[in-house]
Amino acid sequence: DGGITQSPKYLFRKEGQNVTLSCEQNLNHDAMYWYRQDPGQGLRLIYYSQIVNDFQKGDIAEGYSVSREKKESFPLTVTSAQKNPTAFYLCASRGRGGYGYTFGSGTRLTVV
Amino acid sequence: QQQVKQSPQSLIVQKGGISIINCAYENTAFDYFPWYQQFPGKGPALLIAIRPDVSEKKEGRFTISFNKSAKQFSLHIMDSQPGDSATYFCAADNTPLVFGKGTRLSVIA
Repeated sequence: DGGITQSPKYLFRKEGQNVTLSCEQNLNHDAMYWYRQDPGQGLRLIYYSQIVNDFQKGDIAEGYSVSREKKESFPLTVTSAQKNPTAFYLCASRGRGGYGYTFGSGTRLTVV
Repeated sequence: QQQVKQSPQSLIVQKGGISIINCAYENTAFDYFPWYQQFPGKGPALLIAIRPDVSEKKEGRFTISFNKSAKQFSLHIMDSQPGDSATYFCAADNTPLVFGKGTRLSVIA
């Protein structure tokens, strides 16, 4: 079945550590997105990529980094510079000429 | 100008009633208006969407009403069921999607 796979589902990080969230899609979609979800805040865009080897900052990119070396993969690194990283992270993709986004099941990151 | 304002923040509806969620936008460049449904611990799923050249779109119990001049659109859920209890997000597209803050719907028997 085609879709987006996010892993792990739950992730715990100690303060001061970097951590990488995985996002893989087999939908042959060109564009991929990372959103952060906090209670009452909706979905806020962190980074997005419309083509391999290119990506743009979203509204809350500070403290995060991404790479897009393959069409299928768009990993997100939460760095130690992100002051409040505990949140639910969602990855999405969209095909060329398409409108609807397909979302993964999310990764819940907790800083301990 | 990139914001999408969604209301109410939470909504309680009796089973069989009509649930109504409203959204407003400012940017006239938006050209696609989807609604997403999200259950706890899951990613959002596309529910229904509309383009600005259409005033209404219906899919089963779900209807989007779109008022281009007022820059507003709304989701109506007819005959609401307990299984509809979820968080609903409106969004508007100017690549990338801009989301509202969500409405938590509870349908009670």
